[in-house]
Amino acid sequence: DADVTQTPRNRITKTGKRIMLECSQTKGHDRMYWYRQDPGLGLRLIYYSFDVKDINKGEISDGYSVSRQAQAKFSLSLESAIPNQTALYFCATSDFRLGGTDTQYFGPGTRLTVL
Amino acid sequence: DAKTTQPNSMESNEEEPVHLPCNHSTISGTDYIHWYRQLPSQGPEYVIHGLTSNVNNRMASLAIAEDRKSSTLILHRATLRDAAVYYCILTGSQEYGNKLVFGAGTILRVKS
Repeated sequence: DADVTQTPRNRITKTGKRIMLECSQTKGHDRMYWYRQDPGLGLRLIYYSFDVKDINKGEISDGYSVSRQAQAKFSLSLESAIPNQTALYFCATSDFRLGGTDTQYFGPGTRLTVL
Repeated sequence: DAKTTQPNSMESNEEEPVHLPCNHSTISGTDYIHWYRQLPSQGPEYVIHGLTSNVNNRMASLAIAEDRKSSTLILHRATLRDAAVYYCILTGSQEYGNKLVFGAGTILRVKS
């Protein structure tokens, strides 16, 4: 079984609809992240959470919200979807080691299309 | 966040070594150099990271210049499965601030 799972894997929705993307991990990591990727571009950070009570905005948080329900679950919501939110969304987790650096582990992605 | 510069694309023949360069002239003393790759239709995958010394693992080697202003990811024998986008990323060692900033990366094409 995959360590980082995302549901749904594909979603088509209409403008104005509320959408929730879910991420679950079995790695036991405290840190979780949401990224989006547009065609031909690298990933951009939307939100990140260093523990259940710590949520932070990334570089492109407008139009998105998140919920950290538990250490293992981190959800991304689009309150009112718009077409330019059509993208590939990735969840990631990491396990920071004090005095060192951390490695991120990514889920398989959710392809979201907003019509 | 410190920036990196990578070639847009590179091509290699199967079974030959590949050297993927990365320039990071504004790197700070506490920045780690990470490499991730993204295979088609998949999420990014960690490859290797280093701070000052060269590093080897089962996937690749990382050669870091003495002044740390550049580094090279080395795939010793490229296979068709290594065709991917390779990202060179700097990230700090502080407790807060380890966010990954992805650039466009290098598209590696492997010819059979």
